Amino acid sequence: KAGVTQTPRYLIKTRGQQVTLSCSPISGHRSVSWYQQTPGQGLQFLFEYFSETQRNKGNFPGRFSGRQFSNSRSEMNVSTLELGDSALYLCASSWSATDTQYFGPGTRLTVL
Amino acid sequence: AQSVSQHNHHVILSEAASLELGCNYSYGGTVNLFWYVQYPGQHLQLLLKYFSGDPLVKGIKGFEAEFIKSKFSFNLRKPSVQWSDTAEYFCAVNAQNNDMRFGAGTRLTVKP
Repeated sequence: KAGVTQTPRYLIKTRGQQVTLSCSPISGHRSVSWYQQTPGQGLQFLFEYFSETQRNKGNFPGRFSGRQFSNSRSEMNVSTLELGDSALYLCASSWSATDTQYFGPGTRLTVL
Repeated sequence: AQSVSQHNHHVILSEAASLELGCNYSYGGTVNLFWYVQYPGQHLQLLLKYFSGDPLVKGIKGFEAEFIKSKFSFNLRKPSVQWSDTAEYFCAVNAQNNDMRFGAGTRLTVKP
């Protein structure tokens, strides 16, 4: 069974631009969660989607948004990028939000 | 809101030494508990989890963790570490119908 895939793997943007990251969950998984990982901060929860509905959201500004499609694939969008948005963005999928999460390789975003 | 604390940011051990990484959480209700590991250059992966039953759970590669409800703790242990255990370890807590919260991570360096 294929694992969680994320595209692109690496991205370089400049301040003020916007970016869209994509995540394809493991087949059959309906829950997709997004995290921001930075050195010293660990994993910060962004949001969780289940069956196209956002069920939980972390403490991030409205510039961070996401959506989930009917095939459970998910996208995350960050508008008006800031230098502090440079991070590894991880996607994880699971059968449900409380179950074991399976992580993708992440998208390394660098904002210049 | 629930939170997770990992008290050790960086632990350095020699091979064959015993390991214990602390994890405490703040949530009074029923929780699911996890330890994830991130080896250098690899995805986050599940090490072990506790949902219910025996509070002493065993995971992969000789790791185990003990859930002590009265102390809100879920410490990770290994009797004898190997150089290949060098990685970053994350404790995570998921309350029922809530998002997954991760600790800041503990970096383990095992000297050969």
